[in-house]
Amino acid sequence: EAGVAQSPRYKIIEKRQSVAFWCNPISGHATLYWYQQILGQGPKLLIQFQNNGVVDDSQLPKDRFSAERLKGVDSTLKIQPAKLEDSAVYLCASSLDLRVQTQNEKLFFGSGTQLSVL
Amino acid sequence: AQSVAQPEDQVNVAEGNPLTVKCTYSVSGNPYLFWYVQYPNRGLQFLLKYITGDNLVKGSYGFEAEFNKSQTSFHLKKPSALVSDSALYFCAVRDKSNYQLIWGAGTKLIIKP
Repeated sequence: EAGVAQSPRYKIIEKRQSVAFWCNPISGHATLYWYQQILGQGPKLLIQFQNNGVVDDSQLPKDRFSAERLKGVDSTLKIQPAKLEDSAVYLCASSLDLRVQTQNEKLFFGSGTQLSVL
Repeated sequence: AQSVAQPEDQVNVAEGNPLTVKCTYSVSGNPYLFWYVQYPNRGLQFLLKYITGDNLVKGSYGFEAEFNKSQTSFHLKKPSALVSDSALYFCAVRDKSNYQLIWGAGTKLIIKP
């Protein structure tokens, strides 16, 4: 079974530039998550999709971050313009269907995109 | 408010010795509890979960965790540590009433030969 695919693996940009990250979840997974992980901290949820709808984007800095999952499969997270404090690893994860309060609940994570903003 | 605490930034254990990585939580209702592991330059991997039932949960790689409702804890344990267990371990909790997963800050586990 293919895992969660993310690209690029690394990205270095200057502040005020824009950047985009791509994620392809495991086939059949309805729920997709974008997390930000700053060094030394736990993952922070940025946005959660159920198919192509947003379940939770309460911690997404909407003035600069945007995300979409138009066809309910792969997803793109964009930052525009980037700030120094956006330097972090951006993790994408997927799960079967979070609406089902489930014995099978677990998240599958991609390897992440390490972003450095200079 | 929901929260998860991992009180130790780092745990050092000699190979072959038992290990414990601590986690305490605070949720308003009955929790779902999880442990994930992150190896260097890799994404997080699911280790084990407590949903309901037996308080002792067994997971991947010989790890287990004990749910203690009175102490609101979910400590991760392994009877005999391996050097390959060295990684970053995250505890997470979800209130059954909502979808939000709350993560601890992580504990770095170092197993010395």
